[in-house]
Amino acid sequence: AQKVTQAQTEISVVEKEDVTLDCVYETRDTTYYLFWYKQPPSGELVFLIRRNSFDEQNEISGRYSWNFQKSTSSFNFTITASQVVDSAVYFCALSEPLGNTPLVFGKGTRLSVIA
Amino acid sequence: DAGVIQSPRHEVTEMGQEVTLRCKPISGHDYLFWYRQTMMRGLELLIYFNNNVPIDDSGMPEDRFSAKMPNASFSTLKIQPSEPRDSAVYFCASSSDLDRKDGYTFGSGTRLTVV
Repeated sequence: AQKVTQAQTEISVVEKEDVTLDCVYETRDTTYYLFWYKQPPSGELVFLIRRNSFDEQNEISGRYSWNFQKSTSSFNFTITASQVVDSAVYFCALSEPLGNTPLVFGKGTRLSVIA
Repeated sequence: DAGVIQSPRHEVTEMGQEVTLRCKPISGHDYLFWYRQTMMRGLELLIYFNNNVPIDDSGMPEDRFSAKMPNASFSTLKIQPSEPRDSAVYFCASSSDLDRKDGYTFGSGTRLTVV
């Protein structure tokens, strides 16, 4: 069965530090999608990125970057030069559309960026 | 597009009472999902619908929980009778498919407190 593990429960960094949030997944399907969502203190869930299993290219969007490695079943998220506004809970998620499996979330990593 | 609309935002009820949570998905989205968020278990999928038909309700914790989708623009999640351990944030989400490029769109959630 599919599973997403975010081993880091909480991380605290000082502003301007780089931080990497780890995500390890398990799936038996060859076609799957990986996601990251952000949940700021206000509580809503904000979509950040989707990556399909056939595309291992790293993605960069401003200060955010994602490293997808099928060999280690990992989809890690790095924030460069962190800012206080990055403080949130970050969720990694997996879906298996061919198996009709919707998003399965990890338990989340709470990131605190201290000024 | 008003997004996914959930009501109420907050609900406080006494143990044993019936609670009904409501969701209006984005027009044109064929999939609707109900998730529950707790500190201990993170974000769990309770049930999802496709074209108003329940597809997978294996995440519904007990018979006390029931969900309906009478039409494409409305869904309810009912808990009867409610118990303190049902206290959580309940999210509704909708999507045009299981692997939508921009992920699922989540509502703002309903924070349920059962005392």
